[in-house]
Amino acid sequence: NAGVTQTPKFQVLKTGQSMTLQCAQDMNHEYMSWYRQDPGMGLRLIHYSVGAGITDQGEVPNGYNVSRSTTEDFPLRLLSAAPSQTSVYFCASSVGSRQPQHFGDGTRLSIL
Amino acid sequence: QQQVKQSPQSLIVQKGGISIINCAYENTAFDYFPWYQQFPGKGPALLIAIRPDVSEKKEGRFTISFNKSAKQFSLHIMDSQPGDSATYFCAANNNNDMRFGAGTRLTVKP
Repeated sequence: NAGVTQTPKFQVLKTGQSMTLQCAQDMNHEYMSWYRQDPGMGLRLIHYSVGAGITDQGEVPNGYNVSRSTTEDFPLRLLSAAPSQTSVYFCASSVGSRQPQHFGDGTRLSIL
Repeated sequence: QQQVKQSPQSLIVQKGGISIINCAYENTAFDYFPWYQQFPGKGPALLIAIRPDVSEKKEGRFTISFNKSAKQFSLHIMDSQPGDSATYFCAANNNNDMRFGAGTRLTVKP
């Protein structure tokens, strides 16, 4: 039972490049979410999904896109990377938003 | 503007002591208040959570106290151990929108 798997673990991008951060869960959870973690700011919600085909914006959605075609997968896309998007990104899943969230181990992203 | 304010930023406690971390919120629509523990290089893990119809919840050495009228809640770690050294985050949820505090780095000295 893998839980929440995030890939890649580390990535360096140049400004303007695009990339997709992958997130997969094997617990059949309906609720999935993406956060970014920056020093002194805790975790900030980027986008979330309450089920396949349904996504919504969180606190800091600008510059990011998501889709949810299956229950298991919830990829996060950076369309045109900017240095301000340098951060650690966490994906999480849970039965519902008011239930314990299971986090992946994060993707450390640097944008030069 | 952070909707959940957490203090202190860092905390040093002797082994066996009590660690106390406080959080305050403004949005009265929040209806679920979890605490997460994070070790370096790992994702956060749920420690304990409370809903606003309860004033206190205890699980082992960890207790949440909740004051709805003051819009404050706190985490108490009894008999703190070196293995408790980690970063702790409070959070509050409203309609699928989870907001986290900035975190408290706890160090428990042997």
